[in-house]
Amino acid sequence: KAGVTQTPRYLIKTRGQQVTLSCSPISGHRSVSWYQQTPGQGLQFLFEYFSETQRNKGNFPGRFSGRQFSNSRSEMNVSTLELGDSALYLCASSWGQGARNEQFFGPGTRLTVL
Amino acid sequence: GENVEQHPSTLSVQEGDSAVIKCTYSDSASNYFPWYKQELGKGPQLIIDIRSNVGEKKDQRIAVTLNKTAKHFSLHITETQPEDSAVYFCAAASGGGADGLTFGKGTHLIIQP
Repeated sequence: KAGVTQTPRYLIKTRGQQVTLSCSPISGHRSVSWYQQTPGQGLQFLFEYFSETQRNKGNFPGRFSGRQFSNSRSEMNVSTLELGDSALYLCASSWGQGARNEQFFGPGTRLTVL
Repeated sequence: GENVEQHPSTLSVQEGDSAVIKCTYSDSASNYFPWYKQELGKGPQLIIDIRSNVGEKKDQRIAVTLNKTAKHFSLHITETQPEDSAVYFCAAASGGGADGLTFGKGTHLIIQP
């Protein structure tokens, strides 16, 4: 069974631009969660989508948003990029909703904001 | 919200020896505790997990123990091998898991040949 895939793997943007990241979950998984990983803050939860609806949200500004499609694929959007948004963005898929379900991570998208 | 502390931040052991990584959590409602291994350039890989109704779980050379009273859980790796070198993260899911996983800051495990 194929694992979680994320595209693109690397992105370079400048301040003020916006970016869209994509995540395809493991086949049969209906939940996609997004996390931000930085050296200073570590791994932090952004939000979770299940059945095309945002179910849970972490403590991030409204510039961070997402959506999920009927095939469970998910996209994450960051608008008005800031230097501090440079990070590895990880998505994780699971069969059920909520963090108590086993979550499987993709390889991440490395975003650099200049 | 939940807070997870992880120690040590770096651990160097001789190949063949055991390694132990410890985590504490703050929310007594947390009930799911996974461990992830992250290699350079890759996403975190789930290696073992434990739920609050179990005190210990083992999978070959890896074991996890949970002490709910003290609110701490530990990862034990026996007979360490060079391929065990990586960063290990503990995490906790509190209550209904509505806040996502809360991660520790990670432990860089170095296996010395």
